[in-house]
Amino acid sequence: QSALTQPRSVSGSPGQSVTISCTGTSSDVGGYNYVSWYQQHPGKAPKFMIYDVSKRPSGVPDRFSGSKSGNSASLTISGLQAEDEADYYCCSYAGSYTFVVFGGGTKLTVL
Amino acid sequence: QVQLVESGGGVVQRGGSLRLSCAASGFTFNNYGMHWVRQAPGKGLQWMAFIQYDESKKYYADSVKGRFTVSRDNSRNTLYLQMNSLRLEDTAVYFCAKDHPDWGFDYWGPGALVTVSS
Repeated sequence: QSALTQPRSVSGSPGQSVTISCTGTSSDVGGYNYVSWYQQHPGKAPKFMIYDVSKRPSGVPDRFSGSKSGNSASLTISGLQAEDEADYYCCSYAGSYTFVVFGGGTKLTVL
Repeated sequence: QVQLVESGGGVVQRGGSLRLSCAASGFTFNNYGMHWVRQAPGKGLQWMAFIQYDESKKYYADSVKGRFTVSRDNSRNTLYLQMNSLRLEDTAVYFCAKDHPDWGFDYWGPGALVTVSS
């Protein structure tokens, strides 16, 4: 069982928006603004999509956005495109003992 | 451009040892912390270990504490993961990843497969 809870799957049609949730506790997501998100296509390494809850690394389209409320974070993808179909993982800093926790991953299907 | 390339993966018997390497290029290696993250077949990502840029701090996941050791050679721009007392459940693709200055893993290697056999 992963430390952060994500839905196993979400889906949407091209052009639509989808939101992926990531629920933790006050010891991780809720305690720090250090939530990041990763996109992983099959057989590939993860790609850095969001950091510090809502910041986008250069090169990541502004269709990807992140937010946080309390112990939950979210990744929203607007204007869905076929190439967005992938697995998405949230991740949070969890203090100097546990250090890092990942979500179990969410499979995004573009219908 | 930043490149990370893992090596040293393979098949090892339960209870055995293996050392992974991660060769880094395209950035000033001795300025950044580095991580190891693994992914068991068909499963999600699991963080394993972190090492500060100067080796002053090291952190491990509970599942590998006491069995795995992270180290680095800044003169060779290389990160290592020494894995001892390997278990069947350690079978996974192991990724090295660069630490983002704020928080996160901003660059990843393609991964190295480690298979622990019985």
